[in-house]
Amino acid sequence: AQKITQTQPGMFVQEKEAVTLDCTYDTSDPSYGLFWYKQPSSGEMIFLIYQGSYDQQNATEGRYSLNFQKARKSANLVISASQLGDSAMYFCAMRDGSGYSTLTFGKGTMLLVSP
Amino acid sequence: SQTIHQWPATLVQPVGSPLSLECTVEGTSNPNLYWYRQAAGRGLQLLFYSVGIGQISSEVPQNLSASRPQDRQFILSSKKLLLSDSGFYLCASYRDAAFFGQGTRLTVV
Repeated sequence: AQKITQTQPGMFVQEKEAVTLDCTYDTSDPSYGLFWYKQPSSGEMIFLIYQGSYDQQNATEGRYSLNFQKARKSANLVISASQLGDSAMYFCAMRDGSGYSTLTFGKGTMLLVSP
Repeated sequence: SQTIHQWPATLVQPVGSPLSLECTVEGTSNPNLYWYRQAAGRGLQLLFYSVGIGQISSEVPQNLSASRPQDRQFILSSKKLLLSDSGFYLCASYRDAAFFGQGTRLTVV
């Protein structure tokens, strides 16, 4: 069975600083994919970044990067130069390799960016 | 890229009334489709997923059902709503990446 763990219920960061949101996962599938989503107070889920289990390089998308450590089964999200608009819930998710039939989400981390 | 249309955005329904939430997908074909529920301040709970027309898998026993009458249409239903069905419902489509609809905030009163 898959499992996603986000151990930080909340994180605080000052504007313009970098912040790391933790995510660890557990799966027996050799092929899997890891996602990060942002959910602002409006409720929509915004896709941020994706990392495949066979990708050699860490994924990056603008200010977002994914620190993928396969042996440790961790996929931490790094947000550089935080902005006030980054305040939101952040979810880590994983899809398994068996036909991509399910996405499993962590419980989320609330990020608050202060001026 | 994919676009997920989900409606209505908000809904207030009395206990015991029926429910129908609809989700349609544009920009892809034969996606995997999902219904999630999110209680206030909590994570996402997978309710149903579908890998094709007429194929529905349920993750948790509940008062809800799902149907996929067309490739890009996914419907969440209930014959009689319970108070515990209140929450934020999200439809998602997965083909090469996962995209979400805007969500429906359901309040059962």
